[in-house]
Amino acid sequence: QVQLVQSGSELREPGASVKVSCKASGYTFTSYGMNWLRQAPGQGLEWIGWINTHTGNPTYAQSFMGRFVFSLDTAVSTAHLQISRLEAEDTAVYYCARKVRVGDVNWFDPWGQGTLVTVSS
Amino acid sequence: EIVMTQSPATLSVSPGERATLSCRASQSIGISLAWYQQKPGQAPRVLIYGASTRATGIPARFSGSGSGTDFTLTISSLQSEDVAVYYCQQYNIWPPLTFGGGTKVELK
Repeated sequence: QVQLVQSGSELREPGASVKVSCKASGYTFTSYGMNWLRQAPGQGLEWIGWINTHTGNPTYAQSFMGRFVFSLDTAVSTAHLQISRLEAEDTAVYYCARKVRVGDVNWFDPWGQGTLVTVSS
Repeated sequence: EIVMTQSPATLSVSPGERATLSCRASQSIGISLAWYQQKPGQAPRVLIYGASTRATGIPARFSGSGSGTDFTLTISSLQSEDVAVYYCQQYNIWPPLTFGGGTKVELK
């Protein structure tokens, strides 16, 4: 079945970096865009951006430009999110989600299980 | 950036009763709207896309309607397993893709 499995929880100090992985299975990885979203504790969903898995071209939401970087390892159907210069406000659950597109209609399905990143000294 | 506003923030509904959730866009988005359900401790899952098309495996008690700026998600007969936070999301004008703040549905 189509599935996204993310890497485990991370604890980092402010100023450090972290890399979150998202391994896809059950479909052709390069046929669907991969999106990244975040959810701070008790808060709603924020879209960080997406990466075209066919071309490798990333698009970032304005608020996430600079410290957030997407990458791919297509050989193992895995997408990565790297966050540098971590701040306490980056503490959140980070999700990857496949974008399904049919004509002008699109939606996120499935989602990864989420990766909790905690930034604390 | 298109701002999505959901109301109410919390909705208390008795089992078997109808739940009506609203979502408003700051400008017209046609029918480029999806609804997601997030149960406690779980990742979101898609319920509705194209404003009114149920995703695969979603029970018929969930329905979506609306176009332009005003949208509604209706749960016709609330079940205990429907307790969750529901988010609307627009994909008409992006980046960025934007979500509403969510409506928490609880049992009365």
